[in-house]
Amino acid sequence: QVQLVESGGGVVQPGRSLRLSCAASGFTFRIYGMHWVRQAPGKGLEWVAVVSSDVSNKNYADSVKGRFTISRDNSNNTVYLQMNSLRAEDTAVYYCARDRFGAPAPWGQGTLVTVSS
Amino acid sequence: SYELTQPPSVSVSPGQTARITCSGDALPKRYAYWYQQKSGQAPVLVIYEDIKRPSGIPERFSASISGTMATLTISGAQVEDEADYYCYSTDNSGNHTLRVFGGGTKLTVL
Repeated sequence: QVQLVESGGGVVQPGRSLRLSCAASGFTFRIYGMHWVRQAPGKGLEWVAVVSSDVSNKNYADSVKGRFTISRDNSNNTVYLQMNSLRAEDTAVYYCARDRFGAPAPWGQGTLVTVSS
Repeated sequence: SYELTQPPSVSVSPGQTARITCSGDALPKRYAYWYQQKSGQAPVLVIYEDIKRPSGIPERFSASISGTMATLTISGAQVEDEADYYCYSTDNSGNHTLRVFGGGTKLTVL
């Protein structure tokens, strides 16, 4: 079955960087687009970024454009989210998800990023 | 930017029908999707492409679309359906696709 396991979260100071990883298994990774979605504590869902199956297209939410970079390694079935210039408002659980039917599904269990001094 | 608007909360008794709405200007031309998120868990897709139900989702979950409003209906809501529900859709902005979630609706079944 589809499995997505996020890692790389933790506590980081404002202005610093962090890279999240999402290891995929149970499906043919290279033919699916992949998303990152985040959820601040006690808040709703916010879509963050998507990368196409062949890496030719990447799209970002305005709130992270220019600071975050999504990438993927189809040989290692992994998608990444490089987060630079982190702010307190980036504090959230970050989920990766496969693109299915044109939307994120299914999702991993998430990794918590806390931006605090 | 693009916004999808949901009511913050809906409350029903067990066995009643729950309806959750989602309004957005682009919904007449873009698909709506619905997610269920139970406390402490990752979201699960319950409706895709406006009205379709993924395998494994109970038949009591259905959806409809009319103009700029999408509606998720849970017929005979059960206690285990208590969760936050989010709609999701897209819109075009030049050569850029906007992807957004609604603010979420807390469904209480008691």
